[in-house]
Amino acid sequence: DVKVTQSSRYLVKRTGEKVFLECVQDMDHENMFWYRQDPGLGLRLIYFSYDVKMKEKGDIPEGYSVSREKKERFSLILESASTNQTSMYLCASSPQTGFGQETQYFGPGTRLLVL
Amino acid sequence: GEDVEQSLFLSVREGDSSVINCTYTDSSSTYLYWYKQEPGAGLQLLTYIFSNMDMKQDQRLTVLLNKKDKHLSLRIADTQTGDSAIYFCAERHYRDDKIIFGKGTRLHILP
Repeated sequence: DVKVTQSSRYLVKRTGEKVFLECVQDMDHENMFWYRQDPGLGLRLIYFSYDVKMKEKGDIPEGYSVSREKKERFSLILESASTNQTSMYLCASSPQTGFGQETQYFGPGTRLLVL
Repeated sequence: GEDVEQSLFLSVREGDSSVINCTYTDSSSTYLYWYKQEPGAGLQLLTYIFSNMDMKQDQRLTVLLNKKDKHLSLRIADTQTGDSAIYFCAERHYRDDKIIFGKGTRLHILP
């Protein structure tokens, strides 16, 4: 079974703090993703990475950065947290594209509250 | 556009069938997926259908695909309280392999 883990289930941070959200997958997947999920807005892609040290902006990258130093780990960084970044953050991974039904596998999510 | 549309809320009595509908825009989509998200958890892949199929059944779940109308549905037979969750429809594009998610349908089970 694919396992995607996220470092925290719940986090409370103050405005202006630097926040690290960590995600680890154990299936040697090339692709990793960070989404945020907000009521009525569904999933919005923040950043994704298709290889170590490679990253691509998603739909809403502003206020975020990412780091992929190792294949199994993808970090989301909030350089200076703001209240509008209060959200549920979901990490996902998938194998490199090809034929087949492979899709994205999700972690349990990190619920971040910025005060 | 790239929108995957689904209604935001569905209420069903326990024991009845639930039907969650989804429309998508990319006629070249290769795979279509249904994910389930239970409260406080991440998304879990429930089932998928390849675009050259029109139906797939897996125990209580039936997926119907109408490619002409770009319409996908998920039917849950004998709905139980454990089925209470948000269900996401997603499509995988042929051109760029992107997976696009709908906003999710919250399924509420009435006693």
